Amino acid sequence: QVQLVESGGGLVKPGGSLRLSCAASGFTFSDYYMSWIRQAPGKGLEWVSSISTSSSTIYYADSVKGRFTLSRDNAKNSLYLQMNSLRAEDTAVFYCARARAGRMFYDAFDIWGQGTMVSVSS
Amino acid sequence: EIVLTQSPGTLSLSPGERATLSCRASQSVSSSYLAWYQQKPAQAPRLLIYGASSRATGIPDRFSGSGSGTDFTLTISRLEPEDFAVYYCHQYGSSPWTFGQGTKVEIK
Repeated sequence: QVQLVESGGGLVKPGGSLRLSCAASGFTFSDYYMSWIRQAPGKGLEWVSSISTSSSTIYYADSVKGRFTLSRDNAKNSLYLQMNSLRAEDTAVFYCARARAGRMFYDAFDIWGQGTMVSVSS
Repeated sequence: EIVLTQSPGTLSLSPGERATLSCRASQSVSSSYLAWYQQKPAQAPRLLIYGASSRATGIPDRFSGSGSGTDFTLTISRLEPEDFAVYYCHQYGSSPWTFGQGTKVEIK
């Protein structure tokens, strides 16, 4: 079945780094724009970053620009989020999600992973 | 950045009742690029409505969306026990994509 599975979360000190991964299955990964959305504990949803199918276009939220890097490997059906200079306010569950119609940034997210928790604390 | 404001914050209703959730945008949402998601505790969000009024695959027809411009509504015609959850609106018409703060539908 269509599935996204995130991994790589954990506890890190402020200023540290983590690399999140999202493994896709059940669909042609290379046909879909992909995104990361996060949710701080007890809070709402915040869009983080999105990437086109060829990686030629990437968008970032201002809150992570210059610190996070989004990439994908279509041969491995995988999405990655390299997070550097982490701050306490980055503590959240990070979800990867698929654009519903495929090759559009301006699209809803129809498939979500189960999320991976990132905790930034000394 | 488009700010989405959802109301009410909490809606207390009984199974079988009708739920009406509101989402107001700080500026017009392009091409009605407005979606609604349902989230239950410890679960990922689930897409219910996209394009303001189109139901996503597998979503029951008791869920309906309406609106355009800056005012959007999600209606659940008759609440089932599994519908008690938090609902978020989301605009994807302009970057940065943004979400409302959520409306919790709880059992009265």
